[in-house]
Amino acid sequence: SQTIHQWPATLVQPVGSPLSLECTVEGTSNPNLYWYRQAAGRGLQLLFYSVGIGQISSEVPQNLSASRPQDRQFILSSKKLLLSDSGFYLCAWSASSYNSPLHFGNGTRLTVT
Amino acid sequence: AQSVTQLGSHVSVSEGALVLLRCNYSSSVPPYLFWYVQYPNQGLQLLLKYTTGATLVKGINGFEAEFKKSETSFHLTKPSAHMSDAAEYFCAVSEGGGFKTIFGAGTRLFVKA
Repeated sequence: SQTIHQWPATLVQPVGSPLSLECTVEGTSNPNLYWYRQAAGRGLQLLFYSVGIGQISSEVPQNLSASRPQDRQFILSSKKLLLSDSGFYLCAWSASSYNSPLHFGNGTRLTVT
Repeated sequence: AQSVTQLGSHVSVSEGALVLLRCNYSSSVPPYLFWYVQYPNQGLQLLLKYTTGATLVKGINGFEAEFKKSETSFHLTKPSAHMSDAAEYFCAVSEGGGFKTIFGAGTRLFVKA
């Protein structure tokens, strides 16, 4: 069966520090990969998605970036965190078929101080 | 453009009572519809999905939803609420592909003993 791992579970970082969140998927090949942010009272916001190695689409302009160095690895990064980057970050995967649902990791709670 | 509206940001029911969470959508093409559940500090978990075929869809934990095209609705129900059902529920619509999935704002379900 497929599993998705996301770490760390919680992170407290000062403003201006770098960020690296990692997500890996097991049990499937060539998944579509996604990064979402969930801020309090603001629902789920799609940040990035990827349909293949090295292919990244950004949904919103911001100081975050994403990379997909391997088929089942997705990384969310920032060179300098802002207070507004605080939130709950969720990685997800889906199969490439159009009716495939999203499967989420357990999330990373990021607090920027 | 597609959109999702969840009526009621908070719903409170007594244990054993009927659970009804409302979801209306708009889509320019036949949609794919999903319900997800999120427990505190966890990722979203797929409850059920409608793609094609039978309009009454059964999911996990005793939940079901009915796709009503004429009403553009996909309400989630459970005959008898359990304390463990307390969580936040998200309705989602997709016109094809995970990157086209739009989430509702969520409904927090409270279950009273």
